[in-house]
Amino acid sequence: ETGVTQTPRHLVMGMTNKKSLKCEQHLGHNAMYWYKQSAKKPLELMFVYNFKEQTENNSVPSRFSPECPNSSHLFLHLHTLQPEDSALYLCASSQVSPGGASNEQFFGPGTRLTVL
Amino acid sequence: GQQLNQSPQSMFIQEGEDVSMNCTSSSIFNTWLWYKQDPGEGPVLLIALYKAGELTSNGRLTAQFGITRKDSFLNISASIPSDVGIYFCAGPPLNRDDKIIFGKGTRLHILP
Repeated sequence: ETGVTQTPRHLVMGMTNKKSLKCEQHLGHNAMYWYKQSAKKPLELMFVYNFKEQTENNSVPSRFSPECPNSSHLFLHLHTLQPEDSALYLCASSQVSPGGASNEQFFGPGTRLTVL
Repeated sequence: GQQLNQSPQSMFIQEGEDVSMNCTSSSIFNTWLWYKQDPGEGPVLLIALYKAGELTSNGRLTAQFGITRKDSFLNISASIPSDVGIYFCAGPPLNRDDKIIFGKGTRLHILP
């Protein structure tokens, strides 16, 4: 595998289900990100993990719970979601130097989530 | 907070035409990034710019980092059907090293 991979690519779940999205980066990066992309809306940054520490939680509801066990893996645990949470969820990674710019983020293909 | 304004929001062009889109901000950026997103896929980095005035090409794509550091443009020459998609500009805010801000995108349509 190369780059950033995400599984599953598609997920349909009910509002009472619990599911997890998985992201893995094979680039040796030290920062990982979750974004939400809804139809006709810009990319919304949800969470940032920098050296495995969460450095950003962009007012995301608690029904989304991220987990970053190591610098290569990132999970997004989902529970009691709402239909308006249906969107494309994108994972990205980058190499951040302390005090330096992260610049280039590399994205996975996304998970298309539908909440019924 | 810092915002990136992209224009136009969408474009309809004939195959073979050149395309120009731009991104502006009221704040200074030290890096400009241009991404393309195909339907159902994640954005892919096209060009990265690191110096004011820098002009960089990637095949038929050319991007420039504005002298004022508050704008950037992306040109596509001789468009082809696979150029269809959404083009995003992005850049890291001045006070953060571990995140980037995205514009709302320019959606490119190519007419047959």
